[in-house]
Amino acid sequence: DQQVKQNSPSLSVQEGRISILNCDYTNSMFDYFLWYKKYPAEGPTFLISISSIKDKNEDGRFTVFLNKSAKHLSLHIVPSQPGDSAVYFCAASAVGTYKYIFGTGTRLKVLA
Amino acid sequence: DAGITQSPRHKVTETGTPVTLRCHQTENHRYMYWYRQDPGHGLRLIHYSYGVKDTDKGEVSDGYSVSRSKTEDFLLTLESATSSQTSVYFCAISRDRGSYEQYFGPGTRLTVT
Repeated sequence: DQQVKQNSPSLSVQEGRISILNCDYTNSMFDYFLWYKKYPAEGPTFLISISSIKDKNEDGRFTVFLNKSAKHLSLHIVPSQPGDSAVYFCAASAVGTYKYIFGTGTRLKVLA
Repeated sequence: DAGITQSPRHKVTETGTPVTLRCHQTENHRYMYWYRQDPGHGLRLIHYSYGVKDTDKGEVSDGYSVSRSKTEDFLLTLESATSSQTSVYFCAISRDRGSYEQYFGPGTRLTVT
C-alpha cells in the first residue's frame, strides 16, 4: 500500500517557466512533509519542508503548498532552470514516528 | 554538507555471500537510516536506529540486519545476498525524529550476481 504517491513519473518544462510537481498521501496522521532533489549517482538532497500547521512554505525559487483536506502537496519551482533537472521525491512523516515514507519520484527535465 | 560517508561505494558479490555496508557520520546525530532505491519504488526504508544499540525494522527488512555499536557508525548486513538485493543503498541521518530533515550519504551500488 503506497501511502505517498507521485503519479507523474516524468515532467518536461521550458526554461524560465513554472514547474509543478505533485504528491498525494493517504495517511491522515502525516504531519511533516519534505521534498528532496536527486541527481544521478548522488544521494538525495533536502530542498524544502512544510509542517501540517501551515499551508505554504517558500524558499527562494521553491514553494511547497499543502492541502490537508485533499491530502495533496505540490512543489512549485519558478523560474525553472536547466540545473533543476533531477528526480524529485516527496516524503512524509507521522506524529511520533522516527521515519519517513517516500514517494516513487518524478523526473523533471528543464529544457533550455 | 552533512558529514556522512558510505563504504564501499560500489560492490559486486555472488549470490549466497555475506555483505556488510558501512555508514559513518561525523554530525553526532541520534537517528540513522538505511534505504534502498529501486526503479519504480523510490526510496524504501530497510532499518533505522534511534540510538546506540537501538534499532527497528522498516518497510523492507527481510534479508537484512543492522548494528549500531557507536553513535557514528551504522552497519547494514546482508547475511546471504540474493539477486533481488541488487540495488543502490543510501544511509541517512537526522538530528531528531519527526520534524527534522534527513541528510543522505552518497550511496552504495551493490550488484549481486
